[in-house]
Amino acid sequence: GAVVSQHPSRVICKSGTSVKIECRSLDFQATTMFWYRQFPKQSLMLMATSNEGSKATYEQGVEKDKFLINHASLTLSTLTVTSAHPEDSSFYICSARDPRGNTGELFFGEGSRLTVL
Amino acid sequence: AQKITQTQPGMFVQEKEAVTLDCTYDTSDPSYGLFWYKQPSSGEMIFLIYQGSYDQQNATEGRYSLNFQKARKSANLVISASQLGDSAMYFCAMRETGTGGFKTIFGAGTRLFVKA
Repeated sequence: GAVVSQHPSRVICKSGTSVKIECRSLDFQATTMFWYRQFPKQSLMLMATSNEGSKATYEQGVEKDKFLINHASLTLSTLTVTSAHPEDSSFYICSARDPRGNTGELFFGEGSRLTVL
Repeated sequence: AQKITQTQPGMFVQEKEAVTLDCTYDTSDPSYGLFWYKQPSSGEMIFLIYQGSYDQQNATEGRYSLNFQKARKSANLVISASQLGDSAMYFCAMRETGTGGFKTIFGAGTRLFVKA
C-alpha cells in the first residue's frame, strides 16, 4: 500500500509555544490530505482537509488560527498548533488517499502525540 | 447527528473463534464507501477492508469479511479464527461527500480483546 510518513512522533512543548507536525506522502502525490485528532480512548475526529495550493477546509468547531495547515507541495502538508495550551495535548494523525487506488481508502501516518506542559 | 454508530465499546472473543463487530451508518448519498480500520496500541491505523455502496458482493480480505446489509445500513465486520494479535481498537468509517469534497468519518470504535 501507499506510504504516509508523519514527523515528529512525539513532541513535548511548553504552553504558549507553537509546534509544527509534518505529513508526507512518500510514494504518491496527494492533492488532498486529512488531519485528524484523537483523544485517549476516543475516535478520530476530522479537523480539516488540506488542499495543495489552496486554503484548507476546516470542520465546524475547529479554530483556523489555532491549527494552521499548509499544503505547499503534492507530497507535504503541515499542521502547526499555535500558542499551544495543555488542552491541545492529543494524538494528531494525518492521512491521504492514493489516487492510483480505486477504493478511496485512507493511508495514515504514524501519528504525532503532542503533550503541552 | 451521528453518522457512524458502533454500539459495542468492548468485545471479548476466544482465540480461534469468530467475532462480529457491529457498525451502522447514515447517509443520503447514493454513492459512498465503507471501511474498517484496526488501531493497535501503537496508534497506527491499519486498513482492513472496503465495501462500496454499489458492490453486490460482500467484501472479503483473508480472515476479514464485511456483512453489508444496505437496506438496514449496516456494515458489520466479521473476523474469523481470531488471533491474539487481533486485540486492538477497530473503527468503522464511511467516505461521503462533504462541502470540501470527499471526507471520511469514523465511528466511536470497538475494543476487541482476544483471550487465549
